[in-house]
Parts: sequence; C-alpha cells; structure tokens
Amino acid sequence: AQTVTQSQPEMSVQEAETVTLSCTYDTSESDYYLFWYKQPPSRQMILVIRQEAYKQQNATENRFSVNFQKAAKSFSLKISDSQLGDAAMYFCAYRSDWDDKIIFGKGTRLHILP
Amino acid sequence: DAGITQSPRHKVTETGTPVTLRCHQTENHRYMYWYRQDPGHGLRLIHYSYGVKDTDKGEVSDGYSVSRSKTEDFLLTLESATSSQTSVYFCAISPSVKVHEQFFGPGTRLTVL
Repeated sequence: AQTVTQSQPEMSVQEAETVTLSCTYDTSESDYYLFWYKQPPSRQMILVIRQEAYKQQNATENRFSVNFQKAAKSFSLKISDSQLGDAAMYFCAYRSDWDDKIIFGKGTRLHILP
Repeated sequence: DAGITQSPRHKVTETGTPVTLRCHQTENHRYMYWYRQDPGHGLRLIHYSYGVKDTDKGEVSDGYSVSRSKTEDFLLTLESATSSQTSVYFCAISPSVKVHEQFFGPGTRLTVL
C-alpha cells in the first residue's frame, strides 16, 4: 500500500527567508501524481502545487517550488521569501494514476516569525 | 473556487444520536469524497462516490454510511454517534480521473459528547 510520510511535524522560518518542507512516499507504481495542500487557520484546504511523476521538470508556482526526486521517492516543497500569510499546515499527498483516491501525509505546521 | 458547501458547519450532539452531514456541489463533478481530520492523523478517507448511487469505502469507514442520490449531493451519516467520531469532516470533489487533484469544502466541526 502506498504511504506518505512528512517527518517534520512543525517548522519555523523567519519572514522573507526560504524554508523547505520534506515529504517521502512509498509506491510501486510508475505513474502517479503528487500534491502539496495548504491549510491556513481558516481550515480551508488549498492546492498549492502539483507534480506529475512522468515529468522530470520540477513544478513551480510563484514563490512555491518542488524538488521531485523520483528514484528517492522524495517530494519537498520550497517556499521562498516567506510571508506571514504562509503560516499554515501543509499536507503532502499522493495519487496513483489508476486510483480514485488521494493519500495524505500527516502534515507539517509552518510558523512564520516576524 | 470550486462551488462546494457543507452543512452544518458546526454541530454538537450526544452519544448514540444519528447525525447526517451534507456536501453540496455546483460543479457537476463526478467524484465526491468524505474525509475526517484529526490531530496527528492528517486527512483520512471515510467513503467516496464515483457517480450517482456508486459509492465505496475508504480507510476509516466503520460507523459511517453514505448516500448519493443526485450528482450534486453526497450525504455522510453517523448512525449512532460516538465520542471517537468527534472530528472535522471535509468533503472534496474531483471532476474525473483525468483531473487528479481534489477540491475541498470548508469543513464541518462535529463534537460528540
């Protein structure tokens, strides 16, 4: 069965600095999709970025980028120029190409220090 | 933002009472999901639906049932609520297997006393 592991329950970063959130996953599939979701205090789940496993190029969305290492089954999220509004719980998630379901990690709570 | 609403947004109930949570979408998406979120566990799938009257169990389905009689509505029922079902419940939707991300509703906080 596929699993998603986020080894950092909490992290802190100074405003304007860069922070990297780690995620590893376990799968025997070759075609799959990876996501980072953000959950601010409002509780709303927001999709931050997605990565298709067949793409070698790392996905980027403004200040958010990923480091996708398929062989290592690693999918980290880098947030550049951290802002107070980035404070949230971040979830890494995996979905197989053939499955209807997404598997979520347990989350990393990110604090932004002013 | 995807048109997803959940009702109620907050509910307090007593052990042993039945509870129904509603998820309503205006996107005409095929797939709908119910998750629960608990500290230290992330989001765990309860049940999901891949069409009207087509549902399947998720990781933590015991004590829950679902129904989908219309594309837009997906109901989650706790037949006899227990304190272990105190949680935040999220509904999510996805248009098809070709669109792999899910879009989430605002969540329902349920407290079972």
